[in-house]
Amino acid sequence: DIQMTQSPSTLSASVGDRVTITCRASQTIGSWLAWYQQKPGKAPNLLIYKASSLESGVPSRFSGSGSGTEFTLTISSLQPDDFATYYCQPYNNYFWTFGQGTKVEIK
Amino acid sequence: QVTLRESGPALVKPTQTLTLTCTISGFSLSTSGICVTWIRQPPGKALEWLGRIDWDDDKYYSTSLKSRLTISKDTSKNQVVLTMTDMDPVDTATYYCARYRTIKESLDVWGQGTTVTVTS
Repeated sequence: DIQMTQSPSTLSASVGDRVTITCRASQTIGSWLAWYQQKPGKAPNLLIYKASSLESGVPSRFSGSGSGTEFTLTISSLQPDDFATYYCQPYNNYFWTFGQGTKVEIK
Repeated sequence: QVTLRESGPALVKPTQTLTLTCTISGFSLSTSGICVTWIRQPPGKALEWLGRIDWDDDKYYSTSLKSRLTISKDTSKNQVVLTMTDMDPVDTATYYCARYRTIKESLDVWGQGTTVTVTS
């Protein structure tokens, strides 16, 4: 099974900061990666699919990049609504998994 | 509007079998490229993928839970059913169903989740 290593596990940042979250896959997955945002008590919400495609309705301050085994989610200017937990998920085979999550906290 | 809604018992006893239903609307379970997946999240922990059922009735399960899981669908009722046998307190979690589409290679619509507590 593919293992996803997401870092950091927690990130403290201020409004307006540029934030980067990384996911590394244990084997190459092409561009088959998605990013989700989850707020407390809510279901996750799709942000990015196919590594770099922005889901409809998601603010353009969110972007994704990478291919192969290393991927990043960037928030260009952190907003109050962005304090949440973020997960990556690969899709290159039949058996899926999730990264361990990155909690973005207020500094 | 595409929606998914999970339903089932909030409490189950250890060793019992859990049955959860995901009722969908706004799309069809028989459309090529569609699948419904189950994910769970223990309190304060990360998401855990459980399994999925595809439009062609192919099924895939988490390696670690495969022996305890069954996913089925009833296209006419627009429902996907998850059964998990031999429940244990460590299975206490919020259980989500979500739609996957090959055109986006992602889970683009999620249910709101249903919380299951395993306790005697």
